[in-house]
Amino acid sequence: DGGITQSPKYLFRKEGQNVTLSCEQNLNHDAMYWYRQDPGQGLRLIYYSQIVNDFQKGDIAEGYSVSREKKESFPLTVTSAQKNPTAFYLCASRGGRGATDTQYFGPGTRLTVL
Amino acid sequence: QKEVEQNSGPLSVPEGAIASLNCTYSDRGSQSFFWYRQYSGKSPELIMSIYSNGDKEDGRFTAQLNKASQYVSLLIRDSQPSDSATYLCAVNIRRDDKIIFGKGTRLHILP
Repeated sequence: DGGITQSPKYLFRKEGQNVTLSCEQNLNHDAMYWYRQDPGQGLRLIYYSQIVNDFQKGDIAEGYSVSREKKESFPLTVTSAQKNPTAFYLCASRGGRGATDTQYFGPGTRLTVL
Repeated sequence: QKEVEQNSGPLSVPEGAIASLNCTYSDRGSQSFFWYRQYSGKSPELIMSIYSNGDKEDGRFTAQLNKASQYVSLLIRDSQPSDSATYLCAVNIRRDDKIIFGKGTRLHILP
């Protein structure tokens, strides 16, 4: 069963704690992305990675960190430096460089900071 | 300058009518264009992709692309209540291989 999985679906965190969101894909896609979505808002790009062991900052990278040690995995850590982390986090993947590659999304993780 | 722009809506359309969703983009070098549908609390799902000028039809959905005017649209024929969702326009920004999303248009189909 091919696709993108994200875990957990819901996550609660106390202020001041770091938390890591998981994203795994078995589509053999080269590129992976992390977005944040706030209520009634569009998608904002946090980080993206086009190949293993390489990643770039998106528009709102401050307070977040990522790693890309394996092609299948692109975990996102929300650090205590992120001032307003409560949001819906979406992971996506894409086949690789090329204008016709389509981007697919995982089911998302809803993070709430208490 | 915003790279992908959409009217936020809500756009209210009677059931059975045609819903027309519009999107403009700023990068003339953009080569691929996507429409995603997102239900409340869910992740976006791909509806249509289009790469060449003109129309592309898939069932009740038609995507239209005009690169000269930097304009892409989505038509939904015979609108159903289940089409009520937010529709996201996305454009491939060729220069660094990112896909840029508009903020979405909320569509409400009136029964």
